Amino acid sequence: GAGVSQSPRYKVAKRGQDVALRCDPISGHVSLFWYQQALGQGPEFLTYFQNEAQLDKSGLPSDRFFAERPEGSVSTLKIQRTQQEDSAVYLCASSLYSGVLYEQYFGPGTRLTVT
Amino acid sequence: KNEVEQSPQNLTAQEGEFITINCSYSVGISALHWLQQHPGGGIVSLFMLSSGKKKHGRLIATINIQEKHSSLHITASHPRDSAVYICAVSPAPGAGSYQLTFGKGTKLSVIP
Repeated sequence: GAGVSQSPRYKVAKRGQDVALRCDPISGHVSLFWYQQALGQGPEFLTYFQNEAQLDKSGLPSDRFFAERPEGSVSTLKIQRTQQEDSAVYLCASSLYSGVLYEQYFGPGTRLTVT
Repeated sequence: KNEVEQSPQNLTAQEGEFITINCSYSVGISALHWLQQHPGGGIVSLFMLSSGKKKHGRLIATINIQEKHSSLHITASHPRDSAVYICAVSPAPGAGSYQLTFGKGTKLSVIP
């Protein structure tokens, strides 16, 4: 079956521009995670959804970052007024059950470059 | 200080060599994950373990909960094993957190 997909794969934004990144998890997966990966670093947690409920958003770096999953499937990560430090790969992962004790399936990521 | 430390950061091996990548963590955990990331960004989960040892093909993962340490071994390494290997830990039960904490990764290059 289809894996986790993300779009766009690459995004170049001018500083100050708003961007929206999309994640399509594996159908039926309860959990959805967003991660940010800077160049040469490991991923860092941003936020977690259990179905449509955002249970943990403690990793969002500022109030310019907003995520939603209104129907418990597709999720969008929105970054307002982008800054150069937002340049990174944004990874989405889903898992069948709730919590962090189950295998996560990762999407290919969206590489965001802010100029 | 990162709560998850991996060593080495970079590793170059000749094809056929036995490879070990280490991961140490400083917090209580419920599980530890080993992930593989190829150039271009795609991440694949290799193992999730909370005790003992798991084996899949040429890959073996072990964990020692008391010592807060895990190792990933690759036997008979092959150039297609070249990738970044990332260790990540799930928080302890009751921590109220859904955050995986990741190491910075070990970049492995296997030379023919």
